[in-house]
Amino acid sequence: DAGITQSPRHKVTETGTPVTLRCHQTENHRYMYWYRQDPGHGLRLIHYSYGVKDTDKGEVSDGYSVSRSKTEDFLLTLESATSSQTSVYFCAISEISVGIQYFGAGTRLSVL
Amino acid sequence: SQQGEEDPQALSIQEGENATMNCSYKTSINNLQWYRQNSGRGLVHLILIRSNEREKHSGRLRVTLDTSKKSSSLLITASRAADTASYFCATDEGETSGSRLTFGEGTQLTVNP
Repeated sequence: DAGITQSPRHKVTETGTPVTLRCHQTENHRYMYWYRQDPGHGLRLIHYSYGVKDTDKGEVSDGYSVSRSKTEDFLLTLESATSSQTSVYFCAISEISVGIQYFGAGTRLSVL
Repeated sequence: SQQGEEDPQALSIQEGENATMNCSYKTSINNLQWYRQNSGRGLVHLILIRSNEREKHSGRLRVTLDTSKKSSSLLITASRAADTASYFCATDEGETSGSRLTFGEGTQLTVNP
């Protein structure tokens, strides 16, 4: 998976608890992305980063925050998880803007 | 609504047949990409076609782009059971895209041995 590690791979949590997902890359790519994938909705962009400390919202950013303090790490935080955030979350990286994206293996999150 | 929309949603063929999937989009683009996803895995890039290109080949894959119709097609020739996967198109939105791609909902291809 192109030097991208997502952790954890699976997580079950309860409604109202905070959750942080981590994406770590070893490719030194500038752009990093968080997506969620749900049946009937395809892949939807949550947030993305275009450099250290530079982030922007995607299509479905409500309820999510991100941070990027180092080139290699991009964190996605659900401040107070809800059942609607049950999904598979993918991290992706890209060397250039709107270039080829390389995806991690995904994190399956269940919010009960 | 999705920038890219694939058609059909599902396709079932026999090994050795060709598979064609289509993607339509709404705004002007810089490039269009196709990705593949095996069950339970992340997406894998297949091919990128720029807005000034009309056709591109990669092995058994052939991609066409018609910017006047805002559509693209992915042809997989001589399909194999291992081609069973979901296929997604992804587009930027030209000058307004920032650094984002928008993915369609995908076509589920099943190749029967």
